[in-house]
Amino acid sequence: EVQVVESGGGLVQPGGSLRLSCATSGFTFTDHHMDWVRQAPGMGLEWVARVRCKSHTTEYAASVKGRFTISRDDSRNSLYLQMNSLKTEDTAVYYCTRDGNTYSWDYWGLGTLVTVSS
Amino acid sequence: DIQLTQSPSFLSASVGDRVTITCRASQGISSHLAWYQQKSGTAPKLLIYAASTLQSGVPSRFTGSGSGTEFTLTISSLQPEDFATYYCQQLNDYPITFGGGTKVEIK
Repeated sequence: EVQVVESGGGLVQPGGSLRLSCATSGFTFTDHHMDWVRQAPGMGLEWVARVRCKSHTTEYAASVKGRFTISRDDSRNSLYLQMNSLKTEDTAVYYCTRDGNTYSWDYWGLGTLVTVSS
Repeated sequence: DIQLTQSPSFLSASVGDRVTITCRASQGISSHLAWYQQKSGTAPKLLIYAASTLQSGVPSRFTGSGSGTEFTLTISSLQPEDFATYYCQQLNDYPITFGGGTKVEIK
């Protein structure tokens, strides 16, 4: 059974940092690109970042580029998101997602809430 | 960036109704479009990928069609568990983008 479990969310002040983690199991992690997607309270879905399998190359949304860093540890089947210089507008539920190799995300975690507030 | 425009943004319908949601892309995206269903307080669930392929386990009353710039999601006979918000998404190019969502509510 595929499992995707995020952790690391919480309350942080503007300008602060936070590191999200995503533990996965039940599939061959090295065969899949992985992404972070977020959803601000009462709002729609926003893609944040991608790390490709094999090459580990990355892509970012313009809103987080230069502040967030996505990474993966294939030995631990885990995905990470280092978030620096956080802004109030980064407040959201952050989801870890698996690209099913079908131009879509077939597995999502339950999400972890990040609140940026003073 | 590729903009995805969903319509309508809100839909009121009854159980048993046929419902159609449209997603228009600002430029051609081939068939690289997916549809997701999200119920309140839960993570999105993949319904359709590659514009028209039903994800395993999803009821056959959901169908997707289209290519290029115009896509539709149809629910042939709305069931009580289908009341939710639906999003289209493109992975044809970066940044990956979503439509604004269509909230389907009970009439």
